[in-house]
This record gives sequence, structure tokens and C-alpha cells, in this order.
Amino acid sequence: NAGVMQNPRHLVRRRGQEARLRCSPMKGHSHVYWYRQLPEEGLKFMVYLQKENIIDESGMPKERFSAEFPKEGPSILRIQQVVRGDSAAYFCASSTTPNTEAFFGQGTRLTVV
Amino acid sequence: GIQVEQSPPDLILQEGANSTLRCNFSDSVNNLQWFHQNPWGQLINLFYIPSGTKQNGRLSATTVATERYSLLYISSSQTTDSGVYFCAVESNQGGKLIFGQGTELSVKP
Repeated sequence: NAGVMQNPRHLVRRRGQEARLRCSPMKGHSHVYWYRQLPEEGLKFMVYLQKENIIDESGMPKERFSAEFPKEGPSILRIQQVVRGDSAAYFCASSTTPNTEAFFGQGTRLTVV
Repeated sequence: GIQVEQSPPDLILQEGANSTLRCNFSDSVNNLQWFHQNPWGQLINLFYIPSGTKQNGRLSATTVATERYSLLYISSSQTTDSGVYFCAVESNQGGKLIFGQGTELSVKP
């Protein structure tokens, strides 16, 4: 049973470009969560999605960031017009339902140059 | 929202020593998990423990939900235990995990 799969593992973007981060949840998991870890900090919640629905986006920056989890395919976190402050590790987690154990992917390390 | 505080922030141990890490949270929770972030940045699930006590090898954890704290015990520490240990809780609203700031553990040979 494969774990949570994220790709790419490392992503370098120039300021102003777009970054697309992908997350495939564990088999049987329909709840996906995105977190961001800035250098030397803990993990901060960004968004919680279930298939085709955004359940909670209270942690998402108001501009440039969006997320989706389509009926088919992985969840996508999209960052438009990246800035240096977006450089961070982005983790995806999945669970069968809320209030059950969440499992994390290996993360995507985004560097904006 | 819920506040999660971990202590100590840093810990240096000699190989073979034991340690206790603490996690305090400010409100009732439905879920509590402990994670180990290794030096390569990978988050490893240690325990899913909203209440009670669990053991896995040299590690064990206890959560006293009524008193709003959890403890992670590491016995006979090894250099591979080095990294950051995070406690995370899920509120009654369900869904997102709220992380503490972590305890950075360094085990010296």
C-alpha cells in the first residue's frame, strides 16, 4: 500500500512564475490536507479538501494560492506569480475521514530564485 | 483557536539516555498525533493517541485528554532518534491538524 505521494520533491521557480505541486493520497483516503513549513518553523495548515470540494481554506493566503482535488487524479496546490517568501516545504497529508490518523507525504521543497 | 505548546524546545542527549517530551494544548481535541521529522525533512508517524497510553519499541506516549497534555517517552536513545518531534492536535471542528513548534532532539554518540 503506497503512502502519500508528492511530486516533484524539489521545485525551483523564478520570481513571477507559477508552481504546481501534486499530491496523490493513500489508497482509500478521500480527505487531503496541505501544510506549509517555512524554514526553521513548524507546519501551518493551509487547506483541507475532499473530492471536488474545498472543506476549509482558512489557512490559505488570500491571493495567488489555490487548491483543487478533482474527481479523478491528484490534488494540486497552485501558486501563481511566486515570490521569494513562498520558498518553503509544502506537505500533503491524507486520511480516511476527519478525526482519524493522518499520513504525510515526503513534501515538495519549493525554492524561488 | 487551539494553542499547542511543546517543551523543551531543544534537547541534547548522550546515546543511551532517556527523555520525556511534553505537549500541552489549550482545548479539548478529537485527535492527537506525534511525528518525528528526520534530518532529511521526512515526517514519520509515531503515535495516533487522542487518549490513553501506547508503546512501540523504545518509544511510548501517554495522553491525558482531561488535563490537556501528552507525553512522549524515548528510552535508550540512539543517534538515529535525532530530529524534530512534533505534536499535532485536531480540534472538535474536525479536519486540520494544529502543530506545536516542535522539540529539536540531538543524540550524541
